Amino acid sequence: DTAVSQTPKYLVTQMGNDKSIKCEQNLGHDTMYWYKQDSKKFLKIMFSYNNKELIINETVPNRFSPKSPDKAHLNLHINSLELGDSAVYFCASSQEPMTKTQYFGPGTRLLVL
Amino acid sequence: DAKTTQPTSMDCAEGRAANLPCNHSTISGNEYVYWYRQIHSQGPQYIIHGLKNNETNEMASLIITEDRKSSTLILPHATLRDTAVYYCIVSPNTGTASKLTFGTGTRLQVTL
Repeated sequence: DTAVSQTPKYLVTQMGNDKSIKCEQNLGHDTMYWYKQDSKKFLKIMFSYNNKELIINETVPNRFSPKSPDKAHLNLHINSLELGDSAVYFCASSQEPMTKTQYFGPGTRLLVL
Repeated sequence: DAKTTQPTSMDCAEGRAANLPCNHSTISGNEYVYWYRQIHSQGPQYIIHGLKNNETNEMASLIITEDRKSSTLILPHATLRDTAVYYCIVSPNTGTASKLTFGTGTRLQVTL
């Protein structure tokens, strides 16, 4: 059973398009995260939600809008995609907001042409 | 979060112990040492964490010096599947919200 799953695994799209990435966790965790790993392999937090409430927003352009319909799901919608958005996006979850023991999904590889 | 320093890369022969060092000389009293790894094309994977005492689980052992300014992750019998980038992260387990701040890590290559 996959603990943290993401769809799609690969996403190739044109500049200016709008796209969404979905994340689901079946661990019963309260907290979920989005991280971005750029071409230089730096991994940075973007957002965190706890029980459907936004608790971390790390200076991400407002073209990125996370949505948490319930605590098992955290989706990432990106408007007006730019070349610089090309990266691998990882979803993660943890039991509660304070812990650093986080479980990551397999990643979504986004390529903007 | 305290800054960490790790070697850029290391090699280890399969079956031998891999000892990955991490310096964190500015660590505060409430900060834990966490280790994650990222195997190529996969998401980061939690390995182990500790505060003061040495810790062991099914994946690895974590040795923290008495002054807590450095630590070593030990993979007792490295296999080819342990080839990955290993990240040492120092951070408190308290506060309003938790985020992992990844550095550049150590690229461990396990060879035959």
